[in-house]
Amino acid sequence: QSALAQPASVSGSPGQSITISCTGTSSDVGTYNLVSWYQQHPGKAPRLMIYEVTKRPSGVSNRFSGSKSGNTASLTISGLQAEDEADYYCYSFVGSSTYVFGTGTKVTVL
Amino acid sequence: EVQLVQSGAEVKKPGESLKISCEGSGYSFSTYWIGWVRQMPGKGLEWMGIIFPGDSDTRYSPSFQGLVTISADKSISTAYLQWSSLKASDTAMYYCARPRLPGIHNVFEVWGQGTMVTVSS
Repeated sequence: QSALAQPASVSGSPGQSITISCTGTSSDVGTYNLVSWYQQHPGKAPRLMIYEVTKRPSGVSNRFSGSKSGNTASLTISGLQAEDEADYYCYSFVGSSTYVFGTGTKVTVL
Repeated sequence: EVQLVQSGAEVKKPGESLKISCEGSGYSFSTYWIGWVRQMPGKGLEWMGIIFPGDSDTRYSPSFQGLVTISADKSISTAYLQWSSLKASDTAMYYCARPRLPGIHNVFEVWGQGTMVTVSS
């Protein structure tokens, strides 16, 4: 099972909105609404930001939102802040009780 | 407080065996799946596999099947990841993680602090 495809890097200025894409196939992202997004700061464990495509766990800012169209899921960060600078990974069910992460995207706040 | 506490960093030689642990507390350990995730230095996250401590039902990523063994001892609320013969390419940070809800495994919400494994001659 190959990793889901993400852009290596995305950048934006404070206050702007950015969107990170996560492209899978009709066998994973396209079929199941089980896409999650994780944020990881250097040297830290990942943190869940979005699950089941659009849902936000308690404590996650509403500046983070998720969506999906066809085989591509997206994470949008609005009102970009310095603290949002981190690596972001998508994650999807791929069948047979197995999962795969995306390749990861480094977000830089200019 | 729900938490996963992992065992400490390890430095091993190629060919040696290793078992790292992940102890859960603050919740009913037997009713939640536990997963393992690898992160090689400077690289991304890789899903390795999951186990349901209640009955030891285990699923592996095809990429890790046969290379590692995931197990759990529900009597002491601890999950394990083990290797029988380490390789230099096993050098990585390993995280354990727990899903949001009992009985399902679609999203990891609680994470351990990570165990760094270094394999070098």
